Amino acid sequence: DQQVKQNSPSLSVQEGRISILNCDYTNSMFDYFLWYKKYPAEGPTFLISISSIKDKNEDGRFTVFLNKSAKHLSLHIVPSQPGDSAVYFCAARGGRVEESNFGNEKLTFGTGTRLTIIP
Amino acid sequence: ETGVTQSPTHLIKTRGQQVTLRCSSQSGHNTVSWYQQALGQGPQFIFQYYREEENGRGNFPPRFSGLQFPNYSSELNVNALELDDSALYLCAYKTGTGASPLHFGNGTRLTVT
Repeated sequence: DQQVKQNSPSLSVQEGRISILNCDYTNSMFDYFLWYKKYPAEGPTFLISISSIKDKNEDGRFTVFLNKSAKHLSLHIVPSQPGDSAVYFCAARGGRVEESNFGNEKLTFGTGTRLTIIP
Repeated sequence: ETGVTQSPTHLIKTRGQQVTLRCSSQSGHNTVSWYQQALGQGPQFIFQYYREEENGRGNFPPRFSGLQFPNYSSELNVNALELDDSALYLCAYKTGTGASPLHFGNGTRLTVT
């Protein structure tokens, strides 16, 4: 049972335009959502996150939107740049939000979307 | 640069053998997780260690085991290797409290023949 789904395996966007990557989830216990970017031969690199108590978080060119009623999140990249070409994973964490380092840190990942920015 | 170091970067083993993968963090964080990423898939949670004890496990058999040391470095051990164990193995450290992200190393690419 795949609790986090990225239904688009690939996406091509013209340089300078907006890239929108989508992710759906089924587990209402998820409390924290993240986007990671992955280049070949490297580990996933953290991009941006959002807590379940918010509906939007912005960091420079990257904005993540969370729609809890629809169990849907999206990542917007604007403007898109050639260096943004990579595989993007959304991930969700279940469990308590603790003030210490202890807690359920398990992340459930989607299968990824390969973003290609066309110069 | 995440400050998370994994070794080795690549490894080839034969079915039935045992393997040990290593991970460390520059900053010495006390929560470390291991993930398996098969080709074309997202990373799958194997287990998590907090203060040298396993405190969470995914859907992996007991032949996957781990250790965390007092300096917070960690090992993943896999016994009786199977062909399906061929994957990228990632470790990750949490760098803050509460809702803060995991930061991953570059992984070890394991090939089982």
